[in-house]
Amino acid sequence: GAGVSQSPRYKVAKRGQDVALRCDPISGHVSLFWYQQALGQGPEFLTYFQNEAQLDKSGLPSDRFFAERPEGSVSTLKIQRTQQEDSAVYLCASRPEGVYGYTFGSGTRLTVV
Amino acid sequence: EDQVTQSPEALRLQEGESSSLNCSYTVSGLRGLFWYRQDPGKGPEFLFTLYSAGEEKEKERLKATLTKKESFLHITAPKPEDSATYLCAVQADETGGFKTIFGAGTRLFVKA
Repeated sequence: GAGVSQSPRYKVAKRGQDVALRCDPISGHVSLFWYQQALGQGPEFLTYFQNEAQLDKSGLPSDRFFAERPEGSVSTLKIQRTQQEDSAVYLCASRPEGVYGYTFGSGTRLTVV
Repeated sequence: EDQVTQSPEALRLQEGESSSLNCSYTVSGLRGLFWYRQDPGKGPEFLFTLYSAGEEKEKERLKATLTKKESFLHITAPKPEDSATYLCAVQADETGGFKTIFGAGTRLFVKA
């Protein structure tokens, strides 16, 4: 497609439940990023892929967070045993190589109850 | 540590009332400074990239400028449809040039 697609758009999870968030980047974009955005704040870096290689996962808040991109295209962010503090919008972005701006998806709003 | 600070947090303007948004940054080796627009319920939308001090970019009613310590987003004769959150972000050598650090944004409200 022409843009970055994320699904689901909204997810309500009970505390302790596992969730999986999907991102379809722009075709041909080798770089893929996950960001977390709390209400009223700017996006915060979670992790970065170049093709299928996860080159930086320093922003993942805990070992309950896991991301993968096995074939270098679609990526999944998984959160195990969700907690209330995980409630946020999770944004996926992709871009071509080089110093370019990102193209973001519309995000997945996760609410943990 | 790389840091981006935006001011003001919120700005209310009348239609046609020009103003500027500020972005102060502290980085080790700036590779690029970015401006994004974010509407409620949507992801940020890329506006501009600035690479070096003195550079300027324009798009419709928006003009972005860059110095060694800060960037400004000038809005000329804004319209209600310019209402959004404007995010400033940087990429730096310290983070390998790929991680983008965002500010908290300036929420702009333009009243007709």
